[in-house]
Amino acid sequence: AQRVTQPEKLLSVFKGAPVELKCNYSYSGSPELFWYVQYSRQRLQLLLRHISRESIKGFTADLNKGETSFHLKKPFAQEEDSAMYYCALSGNTGFQKLVFGTGTRLLVSP
Amino acid sequence: EPEVTQTPSHQVTQMGQEVILRCVPISNHLYFYWYRQILGQKVEFLVSFYNNEISEKSEIFDDQFSVERPDGSNFTLKIRSTKLEDSAMYFCASSPRYLYNSPLHFGNGTRLTVT
Repeated sequence: AQRVTQPEKLLSVFKGAPVELKCNYSYSGSPELFWYVQYSRQRLQLLLRHISRESIKGFTADLNKGETSFHLKKPFAQEEDSAMYYCALSGNTGFQKLVFGTGTRLLVSP
Repeated sequence: EPEVTQTPSHQVTQMGQEVILRCVPISNHLYFYWYRQILGQKVEFLVSFYNNEISEKSEIFDDQFSVERPDGSNFTLKIRSTKLEDSAMYFCASSPRYLYNSPLHFGNGTRLTVT
């Protein structure tokens, strides 16, 4: 079965501190992993995906197949990073049946 | 930048009533989806739609649910006889092509409250 686990409901850090939002997954095949973000009063939007291997707004995420993890990291958090972050998984066949984690609320304080 | 739009933003209905949630996907997109999020829970896939037919649906998407693209621009989700447990935020999404190279674009959601 496909499953995404985000163990932290809330992560609170000070501005300038490093951030790591944890995501672990369970999938028997070769998954596609994504991070979606939802800022206050805005829609869900894609932050990054593992196949792109890109850095968006200073965030990076590396797929670790051995540990079945896709943790989201940023070396220096900014107040505008405060949002709800969702890790999501999709199999590499079929349509976008994304399986989401429960989300982690990141709160960056000044 | 084009956006997926959903109406209404909030719908209140009585148990047993039919509701239709409306979505206008981005105009050149080909794939359409409905997801829902019960308060405090995760976002869950309901159904995907392509080429005027359902391509995949979840266990949640039972006979009480149906989707339609009636006029080439709107994409609707109908719940025939609502139950209390249907109360949730419903998100419409679209993408221009197959997942691998294209992200989902979500609407702002419709909050459905069944009383």
